[in-house]
Amino acid sequence: EVQLVESGGGLVQPGGSLRLSCEGSGFIFSTNWMTWVRQAPGKGLEWVANIKQDASQLYYVESVQGRFTISRDNAKNSLYLQMNSLRAEDTAVYYCARVRLGSDVFDVWGHGTMVTVSS
Amino acid sequence: VMTQSPLSLSVTPGQPASISCKSSRSLLYTDGKTYVHWYLHKAGQPPQLLIHELSNRFSGVPDRFSGSGSGTDFTLQISRVEAEDVGVYYCAQSIQLYTFGQGTKLEIK
Repeated sequence: EVQLVESGGGLVQPGGSLRLSCEGSGFIFSTNWMTWVRQAPGKGLEWVANIKQDASQLYYVESVQGRFTISRDNAKNSLYLQMNSLRAEDTAVYYCARVRLGSDVFDVWGHGTMVTVSS
Repeated sequence: VMTQSPLSLSVTPGQPASISCKSSRSLLYTDGKTYVHWYLHKAGQPPQLLIHELSNRFSGVPDRFSGSGSGTDFTLQISRVEAEDVGVYYCAQSIQLYTFGQGTKLEIK
């Protein structure tokens, strides 16, 4: 079964840091672009970042540029999101998702991990 | 910017439903594909892909779901709404990075 499992969420103070992880299984992790998408409480979905198979291309939504870093370790079938200088508006459920081969769409999603930025 | 309407709708089971999505720029790319997609987010579940590249149903998606449109105006249609279709529907564009619409909440009457 193809599966993505996120971890690393929690409560952090404004200005703090957190590292999210996402482990994939049931597919050849290294063959797909991967992505992070978030949903703030009561809000819609917001794409956060994408990473190419070999990590040679990284893209971010403007609001996290310079604060968040997406990375991956294909040997560990894992995707990461390093979040620094966190703000209250970063509070959200963070989903990792697989980018479908040959397409731009997100065909497999994890169940998400909650990040709360509050003092 | 992706703008959806309505933001909510209530539908009787068996009746059709339609959601509009308008983009601030053309989503037709030089390869001939239109990079608009549709997702459904049910409560307590991760989002799921319904339609990709304008009108292609994803694997396992019932044929009562269809996508149409061109350029900047797009529509998701459900021919006969069922109880399991409740949730929030999002359109999304991927021609320039990735942007979701605000979402349309579908409820059953």
